[in-house]
Amino acid sequence: QVQLVQSGAAVRKPGSSVKVSCRASGGTFSNHVINWVRQAPGQGLEWMGNIIPISGAANYAQKFQGRVTITADESTSTAYIELSGLRSEDTAVYYCARERRDLNWFDPWGQGTLVTVSS
Amino acid sequence: DIQMTQSPSSLSASVGDRVTITCRTSQSISSYLNWYQQKPGKAPELLIYAASNLQSGVPSRFSGSGSGTDFTLTISRLQPEDFATYYCQQSYTTLRTFGQGTKVEIK
Repeated sequence: QVQLVQSGAAVRKPGSSVKVSCRASGGTFSNHVINWVRQAPGQGLEWMGNIIPISGAANYAQKFQGRVTITADESTSTAYIELSGLRSEDTAVYYCARERRDLNWFDPWGQGTLVTVSS
Repeated sequence: DIQMTQSPSSLSASVGDRVTITCRTSQSISSYLNWYQQKPGKAPELLIYAASNLQSGVPSRFSGSGSGTDFTLTISRLQPEDFATYYCQQSYTTLRTFGQGTKVEIK
């Protein structure tokens, strides 16, 4: 049973960048899409973007275009999301979630990574 | 982007009640609609996929229906462990979107 294991919590200053990782334990990214979803404190789920690791093709929500980069290393079954120009509103839990390319739903999810943006 | 509207945003119900949550999309998405349950401090978990299919391990009191633009998640007899927030999500377009969530609270 594959598990997605994310990197630990991070604290960043406004204007800086953060990079969060997501590694597939007990499985691979083959034939999958890795999605990134965030959740601000007390708020709902917000889809940020995804990547097809085998090709490197990425898609981003319009809201984050120009500020987010999603990459993946298929050899280590690890995906990354990097968010730049951080502001306090980016304080959130960031989740990765795997989606089989022919099935179109998110399962499993990573445990989440809290990113706090504070001066 | 496809807009998703869930209703209600919250509800209070008692154990044993029948609960219905709706999700409406801004354009037709066929059956590309999934439902997730999230408990406080935890990652979301898949409940229903492709509008009406129960994920393995999910109790049969959960069911989903609908197609096109209107979808429903039903909990037939609410149990204590079902108090949580529920989200719909569309996978019709490359750019995925979620509904704003429905919080189910204890009456």
